[in-house]
Amino acid sequence: QQQVKQSPQSLIVQKGGISIINCAYENTAFDYFPWYQQFPGKGPALLIAIRPDVSEKKEGRFTISFNKSAKQFSLHIMDSQPGDSATYFCAAGRGRGNFNKFYFGSGTKLNVKP
Amino acid sequence: DAGVIQSPRHEVTEMGQEVTLRCKPISGHNSLFWYRQTMMRGLELLIYFNNNVPIDDSGMPEDRFSAKMPNASFSTLKIQPSEPRDSAVYFCASSLDGGPLETQYFGPGTRLLVL
Repeated sequence: QQQVKQSPQSLIVQKGGISIINCAYENTAFDYFPWYQQFPGKGPALLIAIRPDVSEKKEGRFTISFNKSAKQFSLHIMDSQPGDSATYFCAAGRGRGNFNKFYFGSGTKLNVKP
Repeated sequence: DAGVIQSPRHEVTEMGQEVTLRCKPISGHNSLFWYRQTMMRGLELLIYFNNNVPIDDSGMPEDRFSAKMPNASFSTLKIQPSEPRDSAVYFCASSLDGGPLETQYFGPGTRLLVL
């Protein structure tokens, strides 16, 4: 079954607006939650990641909000720009053990209109 | 650094043919991952190598799929025989040592279409 559920599938936002992408997970053993950004024709690239010991992490215009009790986390893109137009994937995995096996969400295609 | 290199970038083949995808990880990285991306199933881990040794191949869909890493700078993913449902984008990624918090660097992917 799908370990990480992501929504929405696609998102259109005006330049300067806030883009919000949501993810939910089931496995309470997950304790590392990265977000990846993928441009057309390119592979995914790590954007920002969070551990559940904090409820929020901010890097520039990108913020992850984390709700451990609800097993949900979200990506907020403030002041969205056309250059942010890409597909975004959330992921979840165990930040311990031998290697980082991630389970990815299905992706959100973001289109920021100029 | 050139990043993770994959070839070919696009592959069109007929059902039943053998397909070989190639990957060159970032120099100095000891861990290599093969992923498959489809609309239906998203991004799935197929197999993970550490120091050229397969560590976890639980994601390999069936015996038609095989992967090798003969040395630290080269890996192949082979599908034999290929089927239309194998059509997908296949990504290779590498990380420094595969540790749980290590960043995985993805290649540009190989878009495979099996007719």
